[in-house]
Amino acid sequence: SQTIHQWPATLVQPVGSPLSLECTVEGTSNPNLYWYRQAAGRGLQLLFYSVGIGQISSEVPQNLSASRPQDRQFILSSKKLLLSDSGFYLCAWDTGGSTEAFFGQGTRLTVV
Amino acid sequence: KQEVTQIPAALSVPEGENLVLNCSFTDSAIYNLQWFRQDPGKGLTSLLLIQSSQREQTSGRLNASLDKSSGRSTLYIAASQPGDSATYLCAVNTGTASKLTFGTGTRLQVTL
Repeated sequence: SQTIHQWPATLVQPVGSPLSLECTVEGTSNPNLYWYRQAAGRGLQLLFYSVGIGQISSEVPQNLSASRPQDRQFILSSKKLLLSDSGFYLCAWDTGGSTEAFFGQGTRLTVV
Repeated sequence: KQEVTQIPAALSVPEGENLVLNCSFTDSAIYNLQWFRQDPGKGLTSLLLIQSSQREQTSGRLNASLDKSSGRSTLYIAASQPGDSATYLCAVNTGTASKLTFGTGTRLQVTL
């Protein structure tokens, strides 16, 4: 069966520090991968998606970047965190087309 | 731009009641609609996926309907239980890369 792993679960980082969140999927090949952010009191917003290794599309201009170094690995990064980067970050995957999306357990990021 | 609205924002019902959660979207050109459950501080659990060509999907005590032409979906929960307490999110897929647009959710509390 397929599983998705996200880590860490919780992270407190000072303003200006770097960020690296990792997501891996097991049990499937060539998934589409997504990073969403859920800010307090707001809905989930798509940040990045990837349809293959090295292929990254950004949905909103921001202080973050994403990379996909391996087929089932998706990384969210920042060189210098801002207070506004705080939120709940969720990784998701599907097999493309009109298929069901599955989400990880999320990372709660607090920038102080 | 697709917009998704969920009504009500919060709902409290006694155990055993049947209930309906509503979701509306502005652009009827969708590939599918997905209902999710989110427990506090956790990721999203997929409940039901309805393809654009389908009218409804059922899973256990859950039934989701889709009226694409009017831009509406409902999630029906039969015989509610305290364990159903969570936030329920609907999301529509309007892109080939399964980019989901989410509503802000309905927070459900089922009381004893």
